[in-house]
Amino acid sequence: DVKVTQSSRYLVKRTGEKVFLECVQDMDHENMFWYRQDPGLGLRLIYFSYDVKMKEKGDIPEGYSVSREKKERFSLILESASTNQTSMYLCASSPGPPALYEQYFGPGTRLTVT
Amino acid sequence: QQQVKQSPQSLIVQKGGISIINCAYENTAFDYFPWYQQFPGKGPALLIAIRPDVSEKKEGRFTISFNKSAKQFSLHIMDSQPGDSATYFCAAYNFNKFYFGSGTKLNVKP
Repeated sequence: DVKVTQSSRYLVKRTGEKVFLECVQDMDHENMFWYRQDPGLGLRLIYFSYDVKMKEKGDIPEGYSVSREKKERFSLILESASTNQTSMYLCASSPGPPALYEQYFGPGTRLTVT
Repeated sequence: QQQVKQSPQSLIVQKGGISIINCAYENTAFDYFPWYQQFPGKGPALLIAIRPDVSEKKEGRFTISFNKSAKQFSLHIMDSQPGDSATYFCAAYNFNKFYFGSGTKLNVKP
């Protein structure tokens, strides 16, 4: 069974703080993704990584950065948290070809920035 | 702008009824169309998916209908059950990226 775990279920941070969200997958997947989920907007891709130390911007990368030093771990960093980054953050992973379509999601981290 | 448009935003269906959720897209380069189911407090989970060379795919009570010329696809849940109450997302895939619809909150009344 694929397992994607996220370091925190709930997080409250202050404006201007640096925030780290951690994601770990245990299935040796090539690809990892960070999304944010907001009501009425669905899931929007922030960044993804198709290999260790490789990353690509998604649709809304502004205000975020990522790090992938090991294959199983993908971190999302909010350099200086702002209130408009209050959201649910979802990490996902998928195998390489030919099964790269199969995305597995973690349970999410609900981040509140005050 | 949203690459995949999903409707309705919410849906109430009686137990045993048919739930229908629709999605539309513009980018003809999309080559995979999954549907995800999300229960409160959980991440989305892949429910069923279709490729554009197929017009219909059925898995149990769940069916995807795909209309390539209209650039539309829909999820049909037959014999809807209270346990199907969840948020459903359609998505489309192209070049390592998934584009998600805005979600439909389904409530199946007993």
